[in-house]
Amino acid sequence: KQEVTQIPAALSVPEGENLVLNCSFTDSAIYNLQWFRQDPGKGLTSLLLIQSSQREQTSGRLNASLDKSSGRSTLYIAASQPGDSATYLCAVKETSGSRLTFGEGTQLTVNP
Amino acid sequence: GAVVSQHPSWVICKSGTSVKIECRSLDFQATTMFWYRQFPKQSLMLMATSNEGSKATYEQGVEKDKFLINHASLTLSTLTVTSAHPEDSSFYICSAPPFEGVAQYFGPGTRLLVL
Repeated sequence: KQEVTQIPAALSVPEGENLVLNCSFTDSAIYNLQWFRQDPGKGLTSLLLIQSSQREQTSGRLNASLDKSSGRSTLYIAASQPGDSATYLCAVKETSGSRLTFGEGTQLTVNP
Repeated sequence: GAVVSQHPSWVICKSGTSVKIECRSLDFQATTMFWYRQFPKQSLMLMATSNEGSKATYEQGVEKDKFLINHASLTLSTLTVTSAHPEDSSFYICSAPPFEGVAQYFGPGTRLLVL
């Protein structure tokens, strides 16, 4: 059974810092991996999607990498801003038709 | 981009009543939709997979008679919480993939409070 773990569970940084969020998964045979952002009491916003054949994806200040063989992904946020404060979730999809398995999330607080 | 909507966004009901939550894909057709539940400070847990034109597939431990799912069209899936109890209070979120290989899109969620 696939298990997804995110470290750290919570992170507080001053504005402007670069930071890395970690995600690991137990079964490396995945179809894709997706990073989401969730604001309190809200649904999920998709940030980046990495297909199993890809190594990384970038969108603005966000960069996500994938190392399938070691079962790890990282989300790099450059020059963090208070507006980045949210919970970040990673989720893996094992086959093309399967559901997503989520990690517990990292709660990020960026202090002005 | 693809949009998924949910209605209602908030619902408060008395114990014993049934509550219906709608999930719609607004600009694409979805043969499959997923229903998740999220308790405070926890991650999303998949409840069931809704399949258009056929029965939903429920995850282990989820009572299919309590959480009725209907996927009657390619743009609408409904989740009905029957005889709701306070322990059913949670945040319910649906999602749908526009097509394979594309990011999965989530609805804004429905917060249910059962008194």
